[in-house]
Amino acid sequence: QSVLTQPPSVSGAPGQRVTISCTGSSSNIGAGYDVHWYQQLPGTGPKLLISGNSNRPLGVPDRFSGSKSGTSASLAITGLQAEDEADYYCQSYDSGLSGWVFGGGTKLTVL
Amino acid sequence: EVQLVQSGAEVKKPGESLKISCKASGYSFTSYWIAWVRQMPGKGLEWMGIIYPGDSDTKYSPSFQGQVTISADKFINTAYLQWSRLKASDSAMFFCARSGEDYGDYWGQGTLVTVSS
Repeated sequence: QSVLTQPPSVSGAPGQRVTISCTGSSSNIGAGYDVHWYQQLPGTGPKLLISGNSNRPLGVPDRFSGSKSGTSASLAITGLQAEDEADYYCQSYDSGLSGWVFGGGTKLTVL
Repeated sequence: EVQLVQSGAEVKKPGESLKISCKASGYSFTSYWIAWVRQMPGKGLEWMGIIYPGDSDTKYSPSFQGQVTISADKFINTAYLQWSRLKASDSAMFFCARSGEDYGDYWGQGTLVTVSS
């Protein structure tokens, strides 16, 4: 059972927009800690996609965007492409656990 | 260019010890934390702990406290994750990640550990 809750899967057709939610609690996202998002392609390590709720590292396309409100956060992907098919994880800091916490991951399927 | 290069896959027997490594390059090793993250087969990411190589300050997830040891050698820019007595349930992929502000901005390629009799 992950501390942050994500939908197990989402899907969309090429060119469409999808969103992935990430719900936490008052000891992590709700406490004001930032949310970060990672993309994990099959057989590879995670890659930072969004940091600090909505900041894209250099090289990440602007098709990816993040937002946060209250105890939740969202990752939006517009103009879906086949290469976006991957697992996506949200991550924050938890004051009760004094460390990082992750969502269970969401598998994105491009139809 | 920031790089984290992890040691190769390991196959061990239950009860054996193991130390895997994560060699950093392209930045000041002593100025960033190094986190370790576990991914069991077909499962999600779990934060195990983190070390600051500058002064070896180390924090563990309650789930992994006492089960593993995280260390670093700042003279060779390498962080380590070790087990004294492996169990079959330790079989997983392990990632190291550089961290400046409570997230991993660069990640290693992963080390697969298989524990089987």
